[in-house]
Amino acid sequence: EAQVTQNPRYLITVTGKKLTVTCSQNMNHEYMSWYRQDPGLGLRQIYYSMNVEVTDKGDVPEGYKVSRKEKRNFPLILESPSPNQTSLYFCASRNRDGSPLHFGNGTRLTVT
Amino acid sequence: GDSVTQMEGPVTLSEEAFLTINCTYTATGYPSLFWYVQYPGEGLQLLLKATKADDKGSNKGFEATYRKETTSFHLEKGSVQVSDSAVYFCALSDGSNTGKLIFGQGTTLQVKP
Repeated sequence: EAQVTQNPRYLITVTGKKLTVTCSQNMNHEYMSWYRQDPGLGLRQIYYSMNVEVTDKGDVPEGYKVSRKEKRNFPLILESPSPNQTSLYFCASRNRDGSPLHFGNGTRLTVT
Repeated sequence: GDSVTQMEGPVTLSEEAFLTINCTYTATGYPSLFWYVQYPGEGLQLLLKATKADDKGSNKGFEATYRKETTSFHLEKGSVQVSDSAVYFCALSDGSNTGKLIFGQGTTLQVKP
């Protein structure tokens, strides 16, 4: 089954403790992206990647890192999480041709 | 910059009622327009899309028409069901190679039996 898989689904952590949210897709998509969803703000893009070893900032990249060492994986790294990063995070992927985004089921992160 | 504005929610309807969720956009160039739906506990799924002016996207009884003159892409359904209860997002893609979608804030729809 074609899908985007994120882990974990839920994560509670404390300020400053480094964490990684994993994202993997099995559709051989070139393009991958991370969004965060906050009430009243919709989804905002954090980072995106056009292909392996190619990443770029979205609209809200501060406090986040990403890597794209393999085509299928696109982890989101929070080196020193802060409470304002408490949010619902979505990974998404698609082909380079502009076909619609496929979304994972989300990771709900709480930073205390 | 480009932006999308949706009507405030939540929207509460009885089953079989007519649904309209308003969406307007601001964009330079000629964006593609999308409606995504998010069911509880799930990610977003593409509901329908339109890539040029006067196009009508449709799926599962939902429709939306790309109106360039009013910069709108309102979502409609003639008869909603309880299973349509979800959050609906209007979005645009500027067609650049960033692949970025710009989303509205989302509208929660609750359909009561």
